[in-house]
Amino acid sequence: DQQVKQNSPSLSVQEGRISILNCDYTNSMFDYFLWYKKYPAEGPTFLISISSIKDKNEDGRFTVFLNKSAKHLSLHIVPSQPGDSAVYFCAASRNQGGKLIFGQGTELSVKP
Amino acid sequence: GAVVSQHPSRVICKSGTSVKIECRSLDFQATTMFWYRQFPKQSLMLMATSNEGSKATYEQGVEKDKFLINHASLTLSTLTVASAHPEDSSFYICSARGFRGHTNEKLFFGSGTQLSVL
Repeated sequence: DQQVKQNSPSLSVQEGRISILNCDYTNSMFDYFLWYKKYPAEGPTFLISISSIKDKNEDGRFTVFLNKSAKHLSLHIVPSQPGDSAVYFCAASRNQGGKLIFGQGTELSVKP
Repeated sequence: GAVVSQHPSRVICKSGTSVKIECRSLDFQATTMFWYRQFPKQSLMLMATSNEGSKATYEQGVEKDKFLINHASLTLSTLTVASAHPEDSSFYICSARGFRGHTNEKLFFGSGTQLSVL
């Protein structure tokens, strides 16, 4: 039972354009959502999070949008840079420190 | 930022061999460590949670006699895959958090171990 799904295994974007990574979840008890970024041969690192009481959180070039009614969140990267090329994992939990449920990851490639 | 070191990065072993994976927090004391497994094209799945000095808590379906977790100090946790078989071949990754952060933003990951059992 995949409670968090990232249906696009890969995404290719031109440098300077917007990257949109999507994530869907099924469990309505989730109230905290995070995005992690992973480079090859390294562990995932925290990127940005959002609480279910918000519908948007912005940090520099990164914005996460949450649509609770659709059980959908997305990560926008604007403008995309070649250094953003990595695997992005969406994750959800029942509170800020709760057990993380991960999506399968989306590999983003930003081409110069 | 905080650093978690995981070794080895890759293991190839024969069926029946036991394999030990180490996870160390290098610049903070890890009160809680987590072990995950990832099969190809699937998500990171939590296997177990360990708190320093106490027994690990295993997720449903994870055999505790197969995946032995020891968290004997505030900087080291080990995962031993006992008598590994080909179906145990997977990517194993640890994460840790310490006294200053109980949220998932303060969770730091190791670089993972790719286990291949022949």
